[in-house]
Amino acid sequence: GAVVSQHPSRVICKSGTSVKIECRSLDFQATTMFWYRQFPKQSLMLMATSNEGSKATYEQGVEKDKFLINHASLTLSTLTVTSAHPEDSSFYICSVMAGGDTAGVADTQYFGPGTRLTVL
Amino acid sequence: SQKIEQNSEALNIQEGKTATLTCNYTNYSPAYLQWYRQDPGRGPVFLLLIRENEKEKRKERLKVTFDTTLKQSLFHITASQPADSATYLCALDMRRSFGSGTKLNVKP
Repeated sequence: GAVVSQHPSRVICKSGTSVKIECRSLDFQATTMFWYRQFPKQSLMLMATSNEGSKATYEQGVEKDKFLINHASLTLSTLTVTSAHPEDSSFYICSVMAGGDTAGVADTQYFGPGTRLTVL
Repeated sequence: SQKIEQNSEALNIQEGKTATLTCNYTNYSPAYLQWYRQDPGRGPVFLLLIRENEKEKRKERLKVTFDTTLKQSLFHITASQPADSATYLCALDMRRSFGSGTKLNVKP
C-alpha cells in the first residue's frame, strides 16, 4: 500500500493566524488526495478532494476560502487553514487512493498519521 | 443521502473471545464496503474490503460478511488480543463516507 506522511503532527496557534498542513505521498504518485476532519469521538468528515494541477473539489458546507488546498505535485498536497479560530481545532487527516479493481483493492484509501490543530 | 450506523458504545470483551462489530447502512447500495482500524491520535489503517457479490472475506484472524439484503456488514476478530483494542470504522465504496466507529476493548 501507499505510505503517506503529514507535517506537522501537532500545531498550536493563536486565533486569527493561518496554518499550513502538508500531506506527502512517499512511494506513490497521487493525482488525487483527500482531506478529512475528525472531531473527538466522531467520524471522519470529508472536506475536499485535492486534484493535482487543478482546483480542489470541496464538500458542501466547507468554505473553500477558509480551507485553501494546493496540489502542486503528484506527491504533495497542502491544506491551509486561514484565519483560524478555536472552532477549527480538530484532527486533520489526508489520504491517497491507491489500487484498482485489477489489484483487488479498489479505491482503498491510505491515510496519513493526521495533524492535531489547536487554535487558542 | 446515505447513512452509516455503527454501535457507538464500546465493545468490551475478554482476551481470546471473538469480537463482532456491526455496520448498518441505508439509502444506498454500495459496490463494496471497507473496514479500517484507527488508533487514538492516528489515521485509519485499511484492513479489509468486501464486494457486493461476496458474502464473506477472511484475512488471518479477521472475517467480514456482507449482507446486501439486510444492508449490513459484520466484522469479526477471532481469538482477540489486547493489541486489537482500537476503534474500527466501516466505509462505503467510493462515497468516502465513514461510520463513527466502534471502540473495541480487549481485556487480558
